[in-house]
Amino acid sequence: DAGVIQSPRHEVTEMGQEVTLRCKPISGHNSLFWYRQTMMRGLELLIYFNNNVPIDDSGMPEDRFSAKMPNASFSTLKIQPSEPRDSAVYFCASSLQRFRYEQYFGPGTRLTVT
Amino acid sequence: SQQGEEDPQALSIQEGENATMNCSYKTSINNLQWYRQNSGRGLVHLILIRSNEREKHSGRLRVTLDTSKKSSSLLITASRAADTASYFCATDAESQKLVFGQGTRLTINP
Repeated sequence: DAGVIQSPRHEVTEMGQEVTLRCKPISGHNSLFWYRQTMMRGLELLIYFNNNVPIDDSGMPEDRFSAKMPNASFSTLKIQPSEPRDSAVYFCASSLQRFRYEQYFGPGTRLTVT
Repeated sequence: SQQGEEDPQALSIQEGENATMNCSYKTSINNLQWYRQNSGRGLVHLILIRSNEREKHSGRLRVTLDTSKKSSSLLITASRAADTASYFCATDAESQKLVFGQGTRLTINP
């Protein structure tokens, strides 16, 4: 298995632009998680899906952030408009079932908003 | 607030020595997990220990869990340079979310 796949690996954009991050979870996993990691705040859970349905998006910072999972093999995290404070590494992870099993993380997308 | 908090924040030891990292948490849990993160990479799952378990081993890793003290420890024996990484504990108690601590940065000196 190729593991969790994320794209792009690096993204540099200007403030105000739309940013879309992509994730392909491990086949057969029914839970998908989006995290953000910064030096100041550590690793934060933004949103998670179970069977393609968003379960908890309380970690999404504000309305500028949105996430979708149109099918079991694809998810997107969109930031519109982006701001410098959104600069971080964004990780996607998947697991067999929510939090009772280990999570498999992708390599992350390093986002820089100038 | 952080559910899991690691201690120490940073640890530097010589290759071959044992490394011990601790994690404390605040509320009851179903399980506790340890992850490793190499610089510039995603997190890698190491061990999951359930609330009814007290100790678990995996290769050179040993994890203990003391639910009465709400704490866990990760021991890496016979450390190697490749063990240099950040180590995180994660608990599943807070609102059914997996909450990660700030991590311990481990450096193994050759």
